[in-house]
Amino acid sequence: DQQVKQNSPSLSVQEGRISILNCDYTNSMFDYFLWYKKYPAEGPTFLISISSIKDKNEDGRFTVFLNKSAKHLSLHIVPSQPGDSAVYFCAASEGTSYDKVIFGPGTSLSVIP
Amino acid sequence: DAGVTQSPTHLIKTRGQQVTLRCSPKSGHDTVSWYQQALGQGPQFIFQYYEEEERQRGNFPDRFSGHQFPNYSSELNVNALLLGDSALYLCASSLWANNNEQFFGPGTRLTVL
Repeated sequence: DQQVKQNSPSLSVQEGRISILNCDYTNSMFDYFLWYKKYPAEGPTFLISISSIKDKNEDGRFTVFLNKSAKHLSLHIVPSQPGDSAVYFCAASEGTSYDKVIFGPGTSLSVIP
Repeated sequence: DAGVTQSPTHLIKTRGQQVTLRCSPKSGHDTVSWYQQALGQGPQFIFQYYEEEERQRGNFPDRFSGHQFPNYSSELNVNALLLGDSALYLCASSLWANNNEQFFGPGTRLTVL
């Protein structure tokens, strides 16, 4: 019973192009969403988040879009850089500040120079 | 300012044994969450500790137990180890009032033979 799904295990993108990572969720109670990035031999690091009251949040090269009706969110990276090569996890919680965070299986992004 | 630290880095045990993993949270954080990350999967929530009490628990058997100390550090104990317990165990710290923003340690790689 996977509540957060990332259906693309891997993605390759040319340097300078846009990377789009997708995420779907099944629990309609989720209303806070996060993206984490993980390099090998390191723990995940927080990248960007979005509350359900918004449909877009932007931080530099990273933008997250949320479509609540479709239970879908996406992370856009523009322009992609080789240092962005990592595993990206989509995560969600039911919004209360102390609720547990549920992670998706991750998408491995490779940015080719 | 030290981030989240975990010990040991790697551990090899045999089936049936018991193991204890340790975590020191980021300075100023009062909440510790533990996750299990199997190969190719996202982190799976085990449990969360705040004020030395288990506050939330994921879908893990009672063989998994924990503790939080007055200095906010935490231990994860796993009894009667199974081969399937082999995974990366991640500790994340946060503020109880803002658990959505979690900071992860590098993890402990547990191998059960």
